[in-house]
Amino acid sequence: EAAVTQSPRSKVAVTGGKVTLSCHQTNNHDYMYWYRQDTGHGLRLIHYSYVADSTEKGDIPDGYKASRPSQENFSLILELASLSQTAVYFCASSDELGDGTQYFGPGTRLLVL
Amino acid sequence: AQSVTQPDARVTVSEGASLQLRCKYSYSGTPYLFWYVQYPRQGLQLLLKYYSGDPVVQGVNGFEAEFSKSNSSFHLRKASVHWSDSAVYFCVRNNRIFFGDGTQLVVKP
Repeated sequence: EAAVTQSPRSKVAVTGGKVTLSCHQTNNHDYMYWYRQDTGHGLRLIHYSYVADSTEKGDIPDGYKASRPSQENFSLILELASLSQTAVYFCASSDELGDGTQYFGPGTRLLVL
Repeated sequence: AQSVTQPDARVTVSEGASLQLRCKYSYSGTPYLFWYVQYPRQGLQLLLKYYSGDPVVQGVNGFEAEFSKSNSSFHLRKASVHWSDSAVYFCVRNNRIFFGDGTQLVVKP
């Protein structure tokens, strides 16, 4: 049974439109993360959170907002989607930041046209 | 400077052969190091992790990795690969989260 789920699994958006990606975890983990993966590259951290109602910037936060309304849910928001934000987005959770194993969702493929 | 470097973008081996995937890290302290595997169109799954102690760590499906502080390396090994091992493998340093670019492993029958 999947412990980290993401919705939608794929999405086509228009440039300038608003996109919301959702993530839900049942691991009872404090930490949640949003990454993007571009073809042929590793994952880059966009935002993360260690407690509900609080988010932190990762390495590439520009153009993205995050929301953590509860321990289980973590959303990534693109207020004005751009072509450069076409990528696969992964959500993950862990019980610790530094040494905790991360558990990943299946990913969301976002195509911005 | 890249914090985690995987110098081989693609590695091709024959089924039954041994395997080494290379990972070099940059960190002055004691790193937390992980290897994850990504199968096509799926999320990442943990293979193994190193925090401290024995430099050789065992993981799932016969994988192991060896930490070397002197070489700043954390290479992944497997004695005999199977076609189902074909995937992308990521080395990750977790003190502050850095992913390598990944190595695509292709196992030929």
